[in-house]
Amino acid sequence: EAGVTQFPSHSVIEKGQTVTLRCDPISGHDNLYWYRRVMGKEIKFLLHFVKESKQDESGMPNNRFLAERTGGTYSTLKVQPAELEDSGVYFCASSQDRERIYNEQFFGPGTRLTVL
Amino acid sequence: AQTVTQSQPEMSVQEAETVTLSCTYDTSESDYYLFWYKQPPSRQMILVIRQEAYKQQNATENRFSVNFQKAAKSFSLKISDSQLGDAAMYFCAYRSLYNAGNMLTFGGGTRLMVKP
Repeated sequence: EAGVTQFPSHSVIEKGQTVTLRCDPISGHDNLYWYRRVMGKEIKFLLHFVKESKQDESGMPNNRFLAERTGGTYSTLKVQPAELEDSGVYFCASSQDRERIYNEQFFGPGTRLTVL
Repeated sequence: AQTVTQSQPEMSVQEAETVTLSCTYDTSESDYYLFWYKQPPSRQMILVIRQEAYKQQNATENRFSVNFQKAAKSFSLKISDSQLGDAAMYFCAYRSLYNAGNMLTFGGGTRLMVKP
């Protein structure tokens, strides 16, 4: 079974440009999460999808970030325009049915974003 | 809001020796999950071990075990018979049972180096 995949693995852009990150969750996983780790600090939650709907986007830093999940499958996270403080590693995770008490989140390898 | 603190940014251990990674957390909740995740260099994060707060018995997975002290809000990870493949970033994480989104709250991570 394929794991969570993310594309690209690395992205280097200049301040003011736009970048789109993609996450493909494990097939059949309704829950999809985005997290990021900025400058060696804690990994912080950004948002959570249940299928195609945003369940919780309380961690999104500002309106320069836009997340979508087309048809409840893959998800994209667009940063427009990118700022220096957006540099970091963006992780995606997916999990199965949220009705279960415990459902493990499986993580992708992350996308390292560098904004110059 | 919950917080997770890992006070050791880096640790090193000799191969075959035992090492303990520290984690403390702050919460007002009585039921929750705690996790240790491992992220090898350039690879995705994987779950090492989890602990349910209502269980008094410490979780164990092969060479990995935890020391869960609920009153002290402490959750350390012990790695016995350390192997070169244990070298990685280790993240401690908290998950509330009361938050429908099940997002994880992470500590800042501990980089473990294993010396041959």
